[in-house]
Amino acid sequence: EAGVTQFPSHSVIEKGQTVTLRCDPISGHDNLYWYRRVMGKEIKFLLHFVKESKQDESGMPNNRFLAERTGGTYSTLKVQPAELEDSGVYFCASSPLANYGYTFGSGTRLTVV
Amino acid sequence: AQTVTQSQPEMSVQEAETVTLSCTYDTSESDYYLFWYKQPPSRQMILVIRQEAYKQQNATENRFSVNFQKAAKSFSLKISDSQLGDAAMYFCAYRSSGSARQLTFGSGTQLTVLP
Repeated sequence: EAGVTQFPSHSVIEKGQTVTLRCDPISGHDNLYWYRRVMGKEIKFLLHFVKESKQDESGMPNNRFLAERTGGTYSTLKVQPAELEDSGVYFCASSPLANYGYTFGSGTRLTVV
Repeated sequence: AQTVTQSQPEMSVQEAETVTLSCTYDTSESDYYLFWYKQPPSRQMILVIRQEAYKQQNATENRFSVNFQKAAKSFSLKISDSQLGDAAMYFCAYRSSGSARQLTFGSGTQLTVLP
């Protein structure tokens, strides 16, 4: 079984540019989550999809962040325009419906300069 | 809102020895789940062990075991016979048993294993 895959593994962009992160969950996992860890701080929840629907987006920091999950498969997280404080590691996780076990990806390290 | 606190930013242990990582949490709920995740340099978050709050018995997975003290809201991780491959950042996490499926994480403990 393939795990949760995230692209790219690293991204360095300039302030004001746009970046799109992608997450491919485990096939058949209806639940998909985005988390991020800003340098040295806790891992924070961003949002939760159930299939293609946003179940909970209470952790999204502001309207510069846009997440989508077209067709209930892979998900993208777009940051536009990127700010310095957006730097950190963005994790994606997936789980089957009604199961509390998560599988995480290896994360995308985003650096905004 | 729930909070998770890991008071040890860094810990070290000699290979083959035992180490305990501390975690406390705050919640008003009676039913929930607790987790320990490991993040090695590869950055992959790996589930180490989980505990359901309604279970009195402490969870065990091979060399990893927890000391779950529900009344004290404490959830420590004990690693026995430490190995070099155990070196990683360890995160304690909480999840409600209700409809919210998000995890609340502590700030992490960086574990170094000394040869």
